[in-house]
Amino acid sequence: GAGVSQSPRYKVAKRGQDVALRCDPISGHVSLFWYQQALGQGPEFLTYFQNEAQLDKSGLPSDRFFAERPEGSVSTLKIQRTQQEDSAVYLCASSLDSNYGYTFGSGTRLTVV
Amino acid sequence: TQLLEQSPQFLSIQEGENLTVYCNSSSVFSSLQWYRQEPGEGPVLLVTVVTGGEVKKLKRLTFQFGDARKDSSLHITAAQPGDTGLYLCAGRLAYSGGSNYKLTFGKGTLLTVNP
Repeated sequence: GAGVSQSPRYKVAKRGQDVALRCDPISGHVSLFWYQQALGQGPEFLTYFQNEAQLDKSGLPSDRFFAERPEGSVSTLKIQRTQQEDSAVYLCASSLDSNYGYTFGSGTRLTVV
Repeated sequence: TQLLEQSPQFLSIQEGENLTVYCNSSSVFSSLQWYRQEPGEGPVLLVTVVTGGEVKKLKRLTFQFGDARKDSSLHITAAQPGDTGLYLCAGRLAYSGGSNYKLTFGKGTLLTVNP
């Protein structure tokens, strides 16, 4: 596609519910990143994929967070047993190469109630 | 401690005024990028600077990378309401131990340009 597509745009989850956030990167982009942006803050790194390989997951806040990119294209960020502190905008970005600038999607705003 | 400190945090000005926002760190960066983010959207890349002392211009926007590659500034001339948004700087650490793919973001400067 022309840009990075994320779905859903908005998600309201009850505390304890599992959620799955989808990212469809620009075709041919090798690098894919997930970031978390809390209200009034800059994006914080969560995880990095090069093709299907997850090379860095050091930013994932806990073992409730899991990301995958099985065929080196679409990626899914899963959050199990959501908690209120998980409320944030989750941004996906892709890049031709890890040294290039990122193209971000519009994000998924997750609200845990 | 924030790796990249941006100032000011908020800025509200009138159309036609000039402004400068700053991005500072005690760490050295191999490259630094500026993004603009509008409400409900993801950040959009404006510029990448890689050489100490480098100056890049994008219409009314002027970006400068510090000589020591630890800081950067963004100057906007004759601001317009369309410039309103969150301006984020983001950098790749020069000595990142192999994780030079990772962009570290500042908290941003929220700019409002009033007509």
